[in-house]
Amino acid sequence: ETGVTQSPTHLIKTRGQQVTLRCSSQSGHNTVSWYQQALGQGPQFIFQYYREEENGRGNFPPRFSGLQFPNYSSELNVNALELDDSALYLCASSLTVDNSPLHFGNGTRLTVT
Amino acid sequence: GENVEQHPSTLSVQEGDSAVIKCTYSDSASNYFPWYKQELGKGPQLIIDIRSNVGEKKDQRIAVTLNKTAKHFSLHITETQPEDSAVYFCVNDYKLSFGAGTTVTVRA
Repeated sequence: ETGVTQSPTHLIKTRGQQVTLRCSSQSGHNTVSWYQQALGQGPQFIFQYYREEENGRGNFPPRFSGLQFPNYSSELNVNALELDDSALYLCASSLTVDNSPLHFGNGTRLTVT
Repeated sequence: GENVEQHPSTLSVQEGDSAVIKCTYSDSASNYFPWYKQELGKGPQLIIDIRSNVGEKKDQRIAVTLNKTAKHFSLHITETQPEDSAVYFCVNDYKLSFGAGTTVTVRA
């Protein structure tokens, strides 16, 4: 059973640029959730995708967008990067959308300069 | 997250002692309460979860209790070991809100 993998592991971008982060979900999982974790804080929910459609969104601006593909892998796109976007971005897959344990990848560390 | 409060933020215990972390939530519709452990450089990992039709659940040295009336749930780690040192998060399934985390340090 392959776990959740995220790429890249680290990334440095300049303010105003755009970034795409990728996530491969665990085999058999059809739901992917994305989180932003600032240093020393708990993960903050960005959005969730279920069977290729957005299924809930946290308090993040529209410049944070996502996609889920037919194989249930997912992308997180962030436009017009700001310094405060520097954080660890975590992807988690789950068997289904409700009351299902989250299986996390090890994250992408994004630094915006 | 604003939907769940977690205390304490840091906890230092002597090896072999117990550790208790408490979370309170606001949405009465919540019915799934997992706990995650995050080690340095890794993503969070589920260690135990409880559903609203159960008041307590144990898995070896780890237990979780749930009080739906008071809207709080707690993580109990007994006979702590150095490998228990990590950051622990409670989660409220409403909007998948994570608590702010508790950094547990087990002193040898």
